[in-house]
Amino acid sequence: AAGVIQSPRHLIKEKRETATLKCYPIPRHDTVYWYQQGPGQDPQFLISFYEKMQSDKGSIPDRFSAQQFSDYHSELNMSSLELGDSALYFCASSEAETTDTQYFGPGTRLTVL
Amino acid sequence: AQSVTQPDIHITVSEGASLELRCNYSYGATPYLFWYVQSPGQGLQLLLKYFSGDTLVQGIKGFEAEFKRSQSSFNLRKPSVHWSDAAEYFCAVTEAGGGADGLTFGKGTHLIIQP
Repeated sequence: AAGVIQSPRHLIKEKRETATLKCYPIPRHDTVYWYQQGPGQDPQFLISFYEKMQSDKGSIPDRFSAQQFSDYHSELNMSSLELGDSALYFCASSEAETTDTQYFGPGTRLTVL
Repeated sequence: AQSVTQPDIHITVSEGASLELRCNYSYGATPYLFWYVQSPGQGLQLLLKYFSGDTLVQGIKGFEAEFKRSQSSFNLRKPSVHWSDAAEYFCAVTEAGGGADGLTFGKGTHLIIQP
Protein backbone atom coordinates (compact mmCIF):
# COMPACT_ATOMS: atom_id res chain seq x y z
CA ALA A 1 0.00 0.00 0.00
CA ALA A 2 1.12 3.52 -0.74
CA GLY A 3 2.57 5.43 2.19
CA VAL A 4 3.43 9.00 3.04
CA ILE A 5 6.47 10.21 1.15
CA GLN A 6 8.86 12.77 2.56
CA SER A 7 11.79 14.44 0.88
CA PRO A 8 14.58 14.85 1.38
CA ARG A 9 15.28 12.08 3.88
CA HIS A 10 18.39 13.81 5.18
CA LEU A 11 19.32 17.48 5.11
CA ILE A 12 22.33 19.32 6.46
CA LYS A 13 22.24 23.09 6.79
CA GLU A 14 24.27 25.83 8.38
CA LYS A 15 22.95 28.19 11.05
CA ARG A 16 20.83 31.02 9.67
CA GLU A 17 20.16 29.15 6.42
CA THR A 18 16.72 28.15 5.18
CA ALA A 19 15.29 24.69 4.56
CA THR A 20 12.23 23.33 2.79
CA LEU A 21 10.80 19.93 3.62
CA LYS A 22 8.24 18.26 1.40
CA CYS A 23 5.45 15.82 2.17
CA TYR A 24 3.30 13.80 -0.23
CA PRO A 25 0.28 12.28 1.54
CA ILE A 26 -1.25 8.89 0.94
CA PRO A 27 -3.52 9.04 -2.16
CA ARG A 28 -7.00 10.35 -1.34
CA HIS A 29 -5.84 11.74 1.99
CA ASP A 30 -6.77 15.42 2.30
CA THR A 31 -5.21 16.30 5.65
CA VAL A 32 -1.54 16.76 6.41
CA TYR A 33 0.21 17.18 9.76
CA TRP A 34 3.77 18.17 10.66
CA TYR A 35 5.65 17.03 13.77
CA GLN A 36 9.10 17.69 15.17
CA GLN A 37 10.94 15.05 17.18
CA GLY A 38 14.13 16.07 18.97
CA PRO A 39 16.71 13.47 20.03
CA GLY A 40 15.23 11.17 22.64
CA GLN A 41 11.99 13.16 22.67
CA ASP A 42 8.38 12.48 21.78
CA PRO A 43 6.99 13.99 18.58
CA GLN A 44 5.66 17.52 19.01
CA PHE A 45 2.80 18.69 16.81
CA LEU A 46 3.60 21.74 14.71
CA ILE A 47 0.73 22.41 12.31
CA SER A 48 -1.95 20.75 10.19
CA PHE A 49 -3.82 21.51 6.99
CA TYR A 50 -7.17 20.32 5.72
CA GLU A 51 -8.21 21.02 2.15
CA LYS A 52 -5.35 23.50 1.79
CA MET A 53 -6.43 25.54 4.82
CA GLN A 54 -4.55 25.66 8.10
CA SER A 55 -6.56 23.63 10.57
CA ASP A 56 -4.70 23.30 13.85
CA LYS A 57 -1.57 24.91 15.18
CA GLY A 58 0.81 23.58 17.78
CA SER A 59 4.24 24.67 18.90
CA ILE A 60 5.47 25.91 15.55
CA PRO A 61 8.09 28.67 15.77
CA ASP A 62 7.39 31.94 13.96
CA ARG A 63 10.46 31.21 11.79
CA PHE A 64 8.61 28.23 10.32
CA SER A 65 5.76 28.34 7.85
CA ALA A 66 3.88 25.69 5.95
CA GLN A 67 1.28 25.32 3.26
CA GLN A 68 -0.72 22.68 1.48
CA PHE A 69 -1.03 22.76 -2.27
CA SER A 70 -3.85 21.86 -4.67
CA ASP A 71 -2.50 18.32 -5.11
CA TYR A 72 -2.54 18.02 -1.28
CA HIS A 73 1.21 17.84 -0.89
CA SER A 74 2.64 20.09 1.79
CA GLU A 75 5.84 21.99 2.37
CA LEU A 76 7.40 23.11 5.63
CA ASN A 77 9.61 26.15 5.24
CA MET A 78 12.16 26.86 7.93
CA SER A 79 14.17 30.07 8.03
CA SER A 80 16.99 31.43 10.18
CA LEU A 81 17.85 27.91 11.24
CA GLU A 82 19.19 27.38 14.73
CA LEU A 83 21.17 24.52 16.21
CA GLY A 84 18.09 23.55 18.22
CA ASP A 85 16.13 22.94 15.03
CA SER A 86 18.14 19.76 14.47
CA ALA A 87 15.53 17.03 14.70
CA LEU A 88 13.47 14.47 12.85
CA TYR A 89 10.54 16.09 11.08
CA PHE A 90 7.59 13.86 10.41
CA CYS A 91 4.68 14.37 8.13
CA ALA A 92 1.47 12.43 8.64
CA SER A 93 -1.68 12.26 6.59
CA SER A 94 -5.29 11.28 7.12
CA GLU A 95 -8.62 11.27 5.38
CA ALA A 96 -10.54 13.69 7.55
CA GLU A 97 -14.05 12.76 6.47
CA THR A 98 -13.78 9.10 7.40
CA THR A 99 -11.12 8.72 10.04
CA ASP A 100 -8.95 10.57 12.52
CA THR A 101 -6.16 8.06 12.04
CA GLN A 102 -2.84 9.63 11.13
CA TYR A 103 -0.30 7.68 9.10
CA PHE A 104 3.28 8.82 9.38
CA GLY A 105 6.00 9.15 6.80
CA PRO A 106 9.60 8.03 7.35
CA GLY A 107 10.72 11.50 8.39
CA THR A 108 13.35 14.01 7.33
CA ARG A 109 16.42 14.23 9.51
CA LEU A 110 17.57 17.84 9.64
CA THR A 111 21.01 18.62 10.99
CA VAL A 112 21.94 22.24 11.58
CA LEU A 113 25.66 22.92 11.93
CA ALA B 1 -4.99 20.81 28.28
CA GLN B 2 -4.70 17.24 27.22
CA SER B 3 -1.75 15.16 28.34
CA VAL B 4 -0.49 11.61 28.13
CA THR B 5 1.63 9.87 30.74
CA GLN B 6 3.70 6.79 30.12
CA PRO B 7 5.08 6.00 33.57
CA ASP B 8 7.75 3.58 32.42
CA ILE B 9 10.69 5.09 30.53
CA HIS B 10 12.34 1.69 30.04
CA ILE B 11 10.99 -1.84 30.30
CA THR B 12 13.02 -5.02 29.95
CA VAL B 13 11.23 -8.25 29.12
CA SER B 14 12.51 -11.71 28.30
CA GLU B 15 11.70 -13.06 24.86
CA GLY B 16 8.51 -15.11 25.04
CA ALA B 17 7.26 -13.35 28.17
CA SER B 18 4.14 -11.23 28.33
CA LEU B 19 4.20 -7.46 28.08
CA GLU B 20 2.12 -4.58 29.37
CA LEU B 21 2.94 -0.95 28.65
CA ARG B 22 1.04 1.62 30.65
CA CYS B 23 -0.62 4.76 29.34
CA ASN B 24 -2.73 7.27 31.25
CA TYR B 25 -4.37 10.28 29.67
CA SER B 26 -5.89 13.48 30.88
CA TYR B 27 -8.51 14.85 28.57
CA GLY B 28 -11.66 16.84 29.12
CA ALA B 29 -13.55 15.66 26.08
CA THR B 30 -14.01 12.24 24.55
CA PRO B 31 -10.59 11.04 23.42
CA TYR B 32 -9.36 9.05 20.49
CA LEU B 33 -6.42 6.93 21.64
CA PHE B 34 -3.55 5.42 19.69
CA TRP B 35 -0.42 3.35 20.14
CA TYR B 36 2.49 3.86 17.76
CA VAL B 37 5.81 2.01 17.57
CA GLN B 38 9.09 3.51 16.41
CA SER B 39 12.32 1.71 15.62
CA PRO B 40 15.54 3.78 15.89
CA GLY B 41 15.69 6.51 13.26
CA GLN B 42 12.45 5.32 11.69
CA GLY B 43 8.94 6.64 11.33
CA LEU B 44 5.99 5.88 13.56
CA GLN B 45 3.91 2.83 12.75
CA LEU B 46 0.33 2.61 13.97
CA LEU B 47 -0.24 -0.45 16.16
CA LEU B 48 -3.87 0.12 17.10
CA LYS B 49 -6.48 2.73 17.89
CA TYR B 50 -9.57 3.22 20.02
CA PHE B 51 -12.42 5.44 18.92
CA SER B 52 -15.52 3.93 20.53
CA GLY B 53 -17.33 0.68 21.15
CA ASP B 54 -15.59 -2.44 22.39
CA THR B 55 -12.99 -1.35 24.94
CA LEU B 56 -10.59 -4.14 24.00
CA VAL B 57 -9.02 -3.42 20.63
CA GLN B 58 -6.80 -5.64 18.56
CA GLY B 59 -3.89 -4.34 16.54
CA ILE B 60 -1.10 -5.53 14.33
CA LYS B 61 1.79 -7.79 15.36
CA GLY B 62 -0.30 -9.50 18.07
CA PHE B 63 -0.79 -6.38 20.19
CA GLU B 64 -3.98 -5.43 21.98
CA ALA B 65 -5.03 -2.57 24.23
CA GLU B 66 -7.82 -2.01 26.70
CA PHE B 67 -9.54 1.33 27.22
CA LYS B 68 -10.65 1.92 30.81
CA ARG B 69 -12.50 5.20 31.12
CA SER B 70 -12.76 4.98 34.92
CA GLN B 71 -8.98 4.77 35.17
CA SER B 72 -8.20 7.05 32.21
CA SER B 73 -5.94 4.32 30.92
CA PHE B 74 -5.17 2.69 27.61
CA ASN B 75 -2.59 -0.01 28.34
CA LEU B 76 -0.90 -1.99 25.58
CA ARG B 77 -0.42 -5.73 25.94
CA LYS B 78 1.14 -8.64 24.13
CA PRO B 79 1.04 -12.24 25.39
CA SER B 80 4.47 -13.26 24.09
CA VAL B 81 7.12 -10.81 22.90
CA HIS B 82 9.62 -11.42 20.12
CA TRP B 83 13.09 -9.92 19.81
CA SER B 84 11.80 -7.84 16.88
CA ASP B 85 9.43 -6.02 19.28
CA ALA B 86 12.34 -4.08 20.75
CA ALA B 87 11.54 -0.45 19.95
CA GLU B 88 10.10 2.79 21.35
CA TYR B 89 6.38 2.77 22.01
CA PHE B 90 4.28 5.92 22.09
CA CYS B 91 0.76 6.39 23.36
CA ALA B 92 -1.11 9.32 21.81
CA VAL B 93 -4.43 11.11 22.18
CA THR B 94 -6.54 13.50 20.14
CA GLU B 95 -10.03 14.89 20.39
CA ALA B 96 -12.79 12.64 19.11
CA GLY B 97 -14.12 14.05 15.87
CA GLY B 98 -11.63 16.88 16.01
CA GLY B 99 -10.86 16.59 12.33
CA ALA B 100 -7.33 17.77 11.70
CA ASP B 101 -6.23 18.19 15.31
CA GLY B 102 -2.70 17.20 16.16
CA LEU B 103 -1.83 14.25 18.34
CA THR B 104 -0.47 14.67 21.85
CA PHE B 105 2.12 12.01 22.60
CA GLY B 106 3.44 10.52 25.79
CA LYS B 107 7.19 10.55 26.41
CA GLY B 108 7.47 6.98 25.18
CA THR B 109 8.52 3.64 26.66
CA HIS B 110 11.71 2.01 25.47
CA LEU B 111 11.23 -1.75 25.26
CA ILE B 112 14.28 -3.98 25.63
CA ILE B 113 14.02 -7.69 24.89
CA GLN B 114 16.35 -10.07 26.68
CA PRO B 115 17.23 -13.35 24.95
